[in-house]
Amino acid sequence: EDQVTQSPEALRLQEGESSSLNCSYTVSGLRGLFWYRQDPGKGPEFLFTLYSAGEEKEKERLKATLTKKESFLHITAPKPEDSATYLCAVQAGDSWGKLQFGAGTQVVVTP
Amino acid sequence: EAGVVQSPRYKIIEKKQPVAFWCNPISGHNTLYWYLQNLGQGPELLIRYENEEAVDDSQLPKDRFSAERLKGVDSTLKIQPAELGDSAVYLCASSRQGADTQYFGPGTRLTVL
Repeated sequence: EDQVTQSPEALRLQEGESSSLNCSYTVSGLRGLFWYRQDPGKGPEFLFTLYSAGEEKEKERLKATLTKKESFLHITAPKPEDSATYLCAVQAGDSWGKLQFGAGTQVVVTP
Repeated sequence: EAGVVQSPRYKIIEKKQPVAFWCNPISGHNTLYWYLQNLGQGPELLIRYENEEAVDDSQLPKDRFSAERLKGVDSTLKIQPAELGDSAVYLCASSRQGADTQYFGPGTRLTVL
């Protein structure tokens, strides 16, 4: 059965204090790994898709990387506006269209 | 480009009452999804439509949940009768046919009393 585990559950950072979020996955034939950001009271907002081990993608202060067993979301010099819950999801090759989400990491960045 | 539109944003009902949620996907997106998100958890897929056809409804509790997408655009998700455990956020998402990236709406927060 496909499984996605995110750690830590919550992360409190000082502004400018870089850190990484982890997403470990077990899936039969990874088709894609997705990162979303979710603000309170809103729907998930798409950030990145990664397809193969070694792939990296960047957007502003965020950088996502992928290995065969896990993905990392690096937040460099975060600002208070980066506070959100970050969700990781996988799509298996035999389950096109079905995203299996982790529970998310809640990030709070204080000034 | 307008995003996925959902209504209502909030709904409070008594248990055993019916409730319906509406979704309008991004223009040109043939694939539509309904997800359920419990507090502190990630979304879970309920049903996926390709145009008018429900191609994956294996996670939809069919005894009380139903969905339709009659003209291949808007969709409605219904619960009848609602139970206390149905309190959650119901999210709609859409994607271009064959594309991997799903775009989510703001969700409807349902509270069953």
